[in-house]
Amino acid sequence: KQEVTQIPAALSVPEGENLVLNCSFTDSAIYNLQWFRQDPGKGLTSLLLIQSSQREQTSGRLNASLDKSSGRSTLYIAASQPGDSATYLCAVRNGSGNTGKLIFGQGTTLQVKP
Amino acid sequence: DAGITQSPRHKVTETGTPVTLRCHQTENHRYMYWYRQDPGHGLRLIHYSYGVKDTDKGEVSDGYSVSRSKTEDFLLTLESATSSQTSVYFCAIRDRGEEQFFGPGTRLTVL
Repeated sequence: KQEVTQIPAALSVPEGENLVLNCSFTDSAIYNLQWFRQDPGKGLTSLLLIQSSQREQTSGRLNASLDKSSGRSTLYIAASQPGDSATYLCAVRNGSGNTGKLIFGQGTTLQVKP
Repeated sequence: DAGITQSPRHKVTETGTPVTLRCHQTENHRYMYWYRQDPGHGLRLIHYSYGVKDTDKGEVSDGYSVSRSKTEDFLLTLESATSSQTSVYFCAIRDRGEEQFFGPGTRLTVL
């Protein structure tokens, strides 16, 4: 059974720091991996989608990497800003079946202090 | 936001009453999903649909049913609401690039 883990559960950094959020999964046979952002009381905003054949994806100050063989993904945030404060969720879609079901980690809650 | 709306956004109901949540999309996506989000459990799939009248169960489907009579609408029904179904419910779609987008959520409280 696929399990997704995000460490740390919470992170507090000063503004301007570069930071890395970690996501690990137990079954490397994934179809893709998606990173989301969730603000308190809000829905999920898709940040990046990495297909299983890709090693990384970039969007603005965000860079996500994928190492399937080791069951890991990282989300790199450059030059963090207070507006980046939110919970970041990692989700994997398994390679078998066409459900498209996403399996989520518990998230990392990020606070960027001015 | 991929044109996804959910209604109602908030609902308080009593144990034993039926409740229907609606998800509406405007971009003709084939795949639609219902998830629930709970502290300590994260997001879990309830049901999904792969076309009009084509639906299937997710991992936490007990006590829930769904219907999809039109491409744009996916309904989630709690036949007889229980306190354990107090949660935040999210609808999602999968686009042709395999990316999933989520609606704003419905906060349901069952007293």
